[in-house]
Amino acid sequence: DAKTTQPNSMESNEEEPVHLPCNHSTISGTDYIHWYRQLPSQGPEYVIHGLTSNVNNRMASLAIAEDRKSSTLILHRATLRDAAVYYCILPVSSNTGKLIFGQGTTLQVKP
Amino acid sequence: GAVVSQHPSWVICKSGTSVKIECRSLDFQATTMFWYRQFPKQSLMLMATSNEGSKATYEQGVEKDKFLINHASLTLSTLTVTSAHPEDSSFYICSAHLAGPRIAYEQYFGPGTRLTVT
Repeated sequence: DAKTTQPNSMESNEEEPVHLPCNHSTISGTDYIHWYRQLPSQGPEYVIHGLTSNVNNRMASLAIAEDRKSSTLILHRATLRDAAVYYCILPVSSNTGKLIFGQGTTLQVKP
Repeated sequence: GAVVSQHPSWVICKSGTSVKIECRSLDFQATTMFWYRQFPKQSLMLMATSNEGSKATYEQGVEKDKFLINHASLTLSTLTVTSAHPEDSSFYICSAHLAGPRIAYEQYFGPGTRLTVT
């Protein structure tokens, strides 16, 4: 299984952009890069996914390196409600949707 | 968006008893559901993959006779923790895979069930 590496924690100030990095040097050509986040005492929620091109949605942007060995989740303006654990995941199987969670990055947002 | 519910949201039971947790996809059909457990300050650990109409596939190290999974319909999967012990106390989370060519990679999670075994 391709593995991802993320910093354990990051801090941000409210209303400022946040860049959450993820390394996935063993990614294969067909692996999609997924990001989920988990707010305290809740189940994870889907944030964004991408394959090669940068992606944008209402929650965030995903910037994917040209060699696909790393990616960055961008929150354009952090709010206190964005404080969560962010997981960068490469699915084990695209057919079943099976996900293996690493330790993720705990994001603290300061007012 | 796709919604997954879990019931109960929390449960306290005595050691030696069994507890059933339900996971429902409310507005879509899910042929595949997943069960995770999460200990405090740790990441989610995948326990098993639940397929409608067939036996669940358990991850290595997960006791299938202790954690019984039933996926009787396209919208309901249940996890029964049998003969629960205090070390089974955890946050149990289910998810459903929404298949399709456009959104084949999105997985929707339930809110979780907090199990405390006394």
